[in-house]
Amino acid sequence: KAGVTQTPRYLIKTRGQQVTLSCSPISGHRSVSWYQQTPGQGLQFLFEYFSETQRNKGNFPGRFSGRQFSNSRSEMNVSTLELGDSALYLCATTDRPGYGYTFGSGTRLTVV
Amino acid sequence: KNEVEQSPQNLTAQEGEFITINCSYSVGISALHWLQQHPGGGIVSLFMLSSGKKKHGRLIATINIQEKHSSLHITASHPRDSAVYICAVKEGAQKLVFGQGTRLTINP
Repeated sequence: KAGVTQTPRYLIKTRGQQVTLSCSPISGHRSVSWYQQTPGQGLQFLFEYFSETQRNKGNFPGRFSGRQFSNSRSEMNVSTLELGDSALYLCATTDRPGYGYTFGSGTRLTVV
Repeated sequence: KNEVEQSPQNLTAQEGEFITINCSYSVGISALHWLQQHPGGGIVSLFMLSSGKKKHGRLIATINIQEKHSSLHITASHPRDSAVYICAVKEGAQKLVFGQGTRLTINP
């Protein structure tokens, strides 16, 4: 059974640009959640999607957005990148929201 | 005060020692998760608890709902257990809230 796939693994962007990250869940997993991890703030919740609907949203500015497609794949977008957006972005999927999560390997974003 | 606090922040031990990592939380929860993160970033979900105790191999997780406290124990620790261990809680249908993590180093 394939794991959770995040693409790309590494990304370097310039301030002011925008970026789109992708997360493909394990087959049968309809819940996808996104997290930001930085050395200073640790892991923080971004959003959670289930069956194409956003169920929860964390305390991040509107520059951070996401969506989920009918095949459960999810994307997150960050517009007008700032240096502070440099982080490891992780997604996690589950067949039922709140139950055991399977994490992807993450996308490491560097904003210069 | 953070909603989820872990202790200790750093722990170094010798191979074979019994390890305990603690997690305290301040809100009512529907579930508590223990996660393991190795260098390079990959996260593995170890346990999800809503009550009592769970065991998987050398790992044991317990939770006391009344005291709002959970512990993760590792028996017969091994250098490959070296990782960051993260506690996370979920309040009802709300978001996961994470502790800051405990960095564990097991020396041979």
